[in-house]
Amino acid sequence: EDQVTQSPEALRLQEGESSSLNCSYTVSGLRGLFWYRQDPGKGPEFLFTLYSAGEEKEKERLKATLTKKESFLHITAPKPEDSATYLCAVRNSGGSNYKLTFGKGTLLTVNP
Amino acid sequence: GAVVSQHPSWVICKSGTSVKIECRSLDFQATTMFWYRQFPKQSLMLMATSNEGSKATYEQGVEKDKFLINHASLTLSTLTVTSAHPEDSSFYICSASGLAGGESSYEQYFGPGTRLTVT
Repeated sequence: EDQVTQSPEALRLQEGESSSLNCSYTVSGLRGLFWYRQDPGKGPEFLFTLYSAGEEKEKERLKATLTKKESFLHITAPKPEDSATYLCAVRNSGGSNYKLTFGKGTLLTVNP
Repeated sequence: GAVVSQHPSWVICKSGTSVKIECRSLDFQATTMFWYRQFPKQSLMLMATSNEGSKATYEQGVEKDKFLINHASLTLSTLTVTSAHPEDSSFYICSASGLAGGESSYEQYFGPGTRLTVT
């Protein structure tokens, strides 16, 4: 059974204080690791997909990296509008329905 | 691109009644749609997966007779909560995956969610 563990559960940063969120996973044949951002009362917003160890992707202040066991979401010089819950999910190589297994998320709060 | 809408955004219904939630992919063909529910401060729990024109595949523990899913077209899926009870109150979110820009994609694009409250 696929498992995704995110840490920390919650993180408070000052504006401009860079940090990283962790996503550890076990999966039977990774067919993609996904990062989403979710604001309160809304659906998740797609950020990145990573497929193989060593891959990196960037979008504005966010950078996602992937190893064989975990992924990091690095946030550089965050702003208050980056406050949200960040979700990590994996898809395995079995089946054909693109099913994702989600972690519980990291609640990020960026104070001005 | 890759926009998914849901309707309604929130609904309040009385115990014993049925509620239908619509999920639409607005700018791409969704060959597969997913329905999730999310309780406060919890992650998304997959309820079922549906392919256009086929019966939905339900996750273990999800009652297929209670949560009816129809995926009649490449842009529309519906979830009907039948004989709703207070314990069905939750945040229901759909997602869609398929052909975006003419290419098959593993990414799931999520709708904004529907808050269901059963009184």
